[in-house]
Amino acid sequence: AQSVAQPEDQVNVAEGNPLTVKCTYSVSGNPYLFWYVQYPNRGLQFLLKYITGDNLVKGSYGFEAEFNKSQTSFHLKKPSALVSDSALYFCAVRDTDEAGTALIFGKGTTLSVSS
Amino acid sequence: GAGVSQTPSNKVTEKGKYVELRCDPISGHTALYWYRQSLGQGPEFLIYFQGTGAADDSGLPNDRFFAVRPEGSVSTLKIQRTERGDSAVYLCASSLIGRDTQYFGPGTRLTVL
Repeated sequence: AQSVAQPEDQVNVAEGNPLTVKCTYSVSGNPYLFWYVQYPNRGLQFLLKYITGDNLVKGSYGFEAEFNKSQTSFHLKKPSALVSDSALYFCAVRDTDEAGTALIFGKGTTLSVSS
Repeated sequence: GAGVSQTPSNKVTEKGKYVELRCDPISGHTALYWYRQSLGQGPEFLIYFQGTGAADDSGLPNDRFFAVRPEGSVSTLKIQRTERGDSAVYLCASSLIGRDTQYFGPGTRLTVL
């Protein structure tokens, strides 16, 4: 069965410092991996995805994520955090070998950036 | 361009009542998905439409939940005999085709009293 784990409920960083939000996954086949961000009372906004190719994926708002097949991880990173990055972040996976298209989401990680 | 829209944004109902939640996908997107997000959790898949037909309804929790997409655009999620446990945010997403990136609407917050 597919699953996603986000081991940290909350990540706290100071503005200007690098940030990492962790994600590990489990699929039987090859993964499609996604990061979404959710601001209060709003829907999920797509940040970036990994399908195939380069393990370092660049996305919106200066975010990037690194796919590591051996560690089954897809951590979200940003070199310099902004206060406006404070939000709830979700990692999601879909198994390319499964017939369905549903995304499996982690529980989410709250990112808090202090000024 | 216009994103996915959902109405109403909030719905409060009483236990046992019937509710309908509407989703208007991005124009031209053939695939439409419904998810449910409970407090403190990530979204959970309910149903996927490709065009007018439900291609995967394996996430619907029971037969009180039903969804339609009669013309391949707007979709309605219908919940009969609502229960307090149905309280959640119901999210709709669409993609250009199945298996493509899914873009989410703002959600409908359903509260069952």
